[in-house]
Amino acid sequence: DAGVTQSPTHLIKTRGQQVTLRCSPKSGHDTVSWYQQALGQGPQFIFQYYEEEERQRGNFPDRFSGHQFPNYSSELNVNALLLGDSALYLCASSLVGPEAFFGQGTRLTVV
Amino acid sequence: KNQVEQSPQSLIILEGKNCTLQCNYTVSPFSNLRWYKQDTGRGPVSLTIMTFSENTKSNGRYTATLDADTKQSSLHITASQLSDSASYICVVSDSNYQLIWGAGTKLIIKP
Repeated sequence: DAGVTQSPTHLIKTRGQQVTLRCSPKSGHDTVSWYQQALGQGPQFIFQYYEEEERQRGNFPDRFSGHQFPNYSSELNVNALLLGDSALYLCASSLVGPEAFFGQGTRLTVV
Repeated sequence: KNQVEQSPQSLIILEGKNCTLQCNYTVSPFSNLRWYKQDTGRGPVSLTIMTFSENTKSNGRYTATLDADTKQSSLHITASQLSDSASYICVVSDSNYQLIWGAGTKLIIKP
């Protein structure tokens, strides 16, 4: 079982650009959540996808959007990048119940 | 307002010693409380999950306690090892499975 995998592991983007991050959930998991974690802080919930629809959303602007595919994998898109978007982006997958498994994260640096 | 507060913010102990991390929460309605271990720049790894009716749960050298009346939890680490150096995050879930994250305790184990 590969667990939750995220790609890429690191990337550097220029302010104003767009970025797409990818997540493959743990085998059998149908729910994917995305988090943003700034350095030295706890993760902040961005949104959650279930059955290809956004089920819950945190307090993030519309520049943050996502998608879930029929195979349950997911993408996080961020438009018009700001310096403040630099963070570790975490993907977590789950099935029914509270257990959630996290990927290793994607470190995004905006310059 | 739903909040999770952790103490201490950081802790340094010698290898082989025990330590206890604290978590106070004001989340309502309460569903479960989780402790995660997060190495720097990596995704969180679940240590324990406790529901309302559980007072204690162990995972190897990690033992978590929960007092739902006082809304307090603790994570006790026994016989610390260098690999225990990490951030330990307390997360409380409400009945909608919204996760409220603490800021974490940064634990450093010194040889």
